Amino acid sequence: DQQVKQNSPSLSVQEGRISILNCDYTNSMFDYFLWYKKYPAEGPTFLISISSIKDKNEDGRFTVFLNKSAKHLSLHIVPSQPGDSAVYFCAASEYAGNLIFGKGTKLSVKP
Amino acid sequence: SQTIHQWPATLVQPVGSPLSLECTVEGTSNPNLYWYRQAAGRGLQLLFYSIGIDQISSEVPQNLSASRPQDRQFILSSKKLLLSDSGFYLCAWRNLGQEGPDGYTFGSGTRLTVV
Repeated sequence: DQQVKQNSPSLSVQEGRISILNCDYTNSMFDYFLWYKKYPAEGPTFLISISSIKDKNEDGRFTVFLNKSAKHLSLHIVPSQPGDSAVYFCAASEYAGNLIFGKGTKLSVKP
Repeated sequence: SQTIHQWPATLVQPVGSPLSLECTVEGTSNPNLYWYRQAAGRGLQLLFYSIGIDQISSEVPQNLSASRPQDRQFILSSKKLLLSDSGFYLCAWRNLGQEGPDGYTFGSGTRLTVV
């Protein structure tokens, strides 16, 4: 039973446009949500996070939105750049708990 | 500064052969250590985690085992590999002093292909 779901395995976006990656979760005890970025043959790197007491967190071109009632979060990348092409993993945990990852969404940003 | 080392980077092993993947962390003490696996189409699955020497928790039943003989060393093993053990294995650590789960740092991974 997947507790963290990324239902879109891939997404293709034109350079300069907005990329929106979506993530749903089922465990209402999760109180911390994160996005990781992963290039092929490398380990994931932390991108941005949000705690359950917030509904938005912004860091440069990256913004994460959290809708607790819908158990849904999204990552917005504006503007998208070719270097953003990677697999993006959504992850969640209870505070101080282990990270639970989604299956990932492969983002392709075309010049 | 803290660093995490994982080796080898790639490995091709025949079915039935043993496995040993090693992960070491530098620049920190008493970290939480993790083994994740990324199998084709399955995202990142937590296999084992350890909160201290010889303290291992398994998240999923499988053909693999883990050991932590030293504070900053985490080893993933198998006595007999199966084809289904193929995947990308990632070691990660988390400093207990860091608030929130964004304290995870991942190694560069090992691509294991069982043939």
